[in-house]
Amino acid sequence: SQQGEEDPQALSIQEGENATMNCSYKTSINNLQWYRQNSGRGLVHLILIRSNEREKHSGRLRVTLDTSKKSSSLLITASRAADTASYFCATDAKGNAGNMLTFGGGTRLMVKP
Amino acid sequence: NAGVMQNPRHLVRRRGQEARLRCSPMKGHSHVYWYRQLPEEGLKFMVYLQKENIIDESGMPKERFSAEFPKEGPSILRIQQVVRGDSAAYFCASSQSGKVEAFFGQGTRLTVV
Repeated sequence: SQQGEEDPQALSIQEGENATMNCSYKTSINNLQWYRQNSGRGLVHLILIRSNEREKHSGRLRVTLDTSKKSSSLLITASRAADTASYFCATDAKGNAGNMLTFGGGTRLMVKP
Repeated sequence: NAGVMQNPRHLVRRRGQEARLRCSPMKGHSHVYWYRQLPEEGLKFMVYLQKENIIDESGMPKERFSAEFPKEGPSILRIQQVVRGDSAAYFCASSQSGKVEAFFGQGTRLTVV
């Protein structure tokens, strides 16, 4: 699989439920970031977690990182219809110049009202 | 401080024409990255530039594609003799020197007819 693969590819839940998305990657990283993309729009940066961090919170978002398993998860609690979007993880691999990111294929989240 | 500005937002070109996509980074940002997104896929890194220098173009096709980031003015991604397969959304991101977070523009959606 590619660096930064998300699963599931698609997720449909009811408003108020929690949504969990997972991301796996292959190489050693400096950090991992999660982005949201509404249909046909640009990317919105959600959260960045560094390789020496295990968990991070931001509002209703909770991100975990397990570098031994090369995986991360994004949890959205108490989901809202407005959370409907595609969610991408992106890794910044060690040894990369600058801030070049490798994106996964995304999880398409639909939150039904 | 305006965000990353890309123009045009939508671009239609006939096969064989040239496409020029512009990206103005955020104020104070000297690093620019171009990504391409095909429908239903994640973003793929194309090229990383600093002012007047190409740092990494490993993701950019060798033929027909070129990028520049002049001392003055926006970064330009140029696609010569476009083909239908070039139809995609092209995103630009910028970051400060030494900073990890990159900010994305709204993208240019190129359609080749």
